[in-house]
Amino acid sequence: GENVEQHPSTLSVQEGDSAVIKCTYSDSASNYFPWYKQELGKRPQLIIDIRSNVGEKKDQRIAVTLNKTAKHFSLHITETQPEDSAVYFCAAREDDKIIFGKGTRLHILP
Amino acid sequence: GAGVSQSPSNKVTEKGKDVELRCDPISGHTALYWYRQSLGQGLEFLIYFQGNSAPDKSGLPSDRFSAERTGGSVSTLTIQRTQQEDSAVYLCASSFSVREQYFGPGTRLTVT
Repeated sequence: GENVEQHPSTLSVQEGDSAVIKCTYSDSASNYFPWYKQELGKRPQLIIDIRSNVGEKKDQRIAVTLNKTAKHFSLHITETQPEDSAVYFCAAREDDKIIFGKGTRLHILP
Repeated sequence: GAGVSQSPSNKVTEKGKDVELRCDPISGHTALYWYRQSLGQGLEFLIYFQGNSAPDKSGLPSDRFSAERTGGSVSTLTIQRTQQEDSAVYLCASSFSVREQYFGPGTRLTVT
């Protein structure tokens, strides 16, 4: 089955700097890659997703890139702000189910 | 409209007891997922329902865990003979086909 690896597990960046979270997946047939943000004590919420026919997608300060050949995808957050502090999960679709990575805890330092 | 709801929000049970956790998905959503999230950990896939198809149970950790989805809507996750390692937040999510998942608030299960 699909296996999603996510790195780093914890990331601290200065406010205003960029943050990058990387994920790899194992099933070359996977074709949908969402990213979820989970703030402390709250439920995960989708922030951006990308399908395998696209190499990059951007939404304001958030961008996701996908390299199908290497089977990895990344989340980029620019000009980080305090409200970006949260746990971020990448995921990949295997058949019809979504498999998540273990998450990255992002700390934005003042 | 109403989002995904789960009940109870918190459940404390004694080791060895059975528990039932309920999920009410968004109306019209064909896919329903159960995940387990231990303290500070990731989202562990448990089971997936899609329409009238047989559920994908590949993530259930033991035969003490089972789930049903009645009428293609409400789902119940049952844990028999609970153990302390079952303590976690159990999250339900629903989606229309395989698109954005909408998560419920979760049920925090504590086994004493």
